[in-house]
Amino acid sequence: GAGVSQSPSNKVTEKGKDVELRCDPISGHTALYWYRQSLGQGLEFLIYFQGNSAPDKSGLPSDRFSAERTGGSVSTLTIQRTQQEDSAVYLCASSQTRGQPQHFGDGTRLSIL
Amino acid sequence: QKEVEQNSGPLSVPEGAIASLNCTYSDRGSQSFFWYRQYSGKSPELIMSIYSNGDKEDGRFTAQLNKASQYVSLLIRDSQPSDSATYLCAVHRGSGGYNKLIFGAGTRLAVHP
Repeated sequence: GAGVSQSPSNKVTEKGKDVELRCDPISGHTALYWYRQSLGQGLEFLIYFQGNSAPDKSGLPSDRFSAERTGGSVSTLTIQRTQQEDSAVYLCASSQTRGQPQHFGDGTRLSIL
Repeated sequence: QKEVEQNSGPLSVPEGAIASLNCTYSDRGSQSFFWYRQYSGKSPELIMSIYSNGDKEDGRFTAQLNKASQYVSLLIRDSQPSDSATYLCAVHRGSGGYNKLIFGAGTRLAVHP
């Protein structure tokens, strides 16, 4: 595909459950980023991947959050034991390499009941 | 002080007018600057990038950068109702910080017929 692809587009789950969000970056983009946007709030950086390694995890809010990237392509963001404050839109972006313009996917809207 | 500051608006302009959106940033070592447009319920869409002092034009959009004043702006000429959206200013930090974009809270633009 031409753009960044994220799935699912919407996820509703009960508090305490684990969720997995997927991001497929633009082909050839080595840098991948996860952001979070809560209702009425700005974009909050979570984690950055260069290839399969994550040199910057400084934005992950707690140890319930983890992410991995395999094959220098698809990335998965996992949230364990979800809490209501985790409700937000989770956005993935990719760029050719770090410092280049980032292009966003459509996001996953996560709702915790 | 927030790292990237924008007037939240709304900025209301009549159709056909010039809309002027402003952004200031605190990290003097910042190197790269981006403007994103975000329609309600959608993900951010890159519209302009600028890296050096001066003006950069692309169609109806002009980005202006003044590193001495730590100021970046976006001008939209011949504004259309379809330009009504939230405009996000984003900054890549200086050396060692090219891992993420720091976003302003966004300025809401309303173009009325």
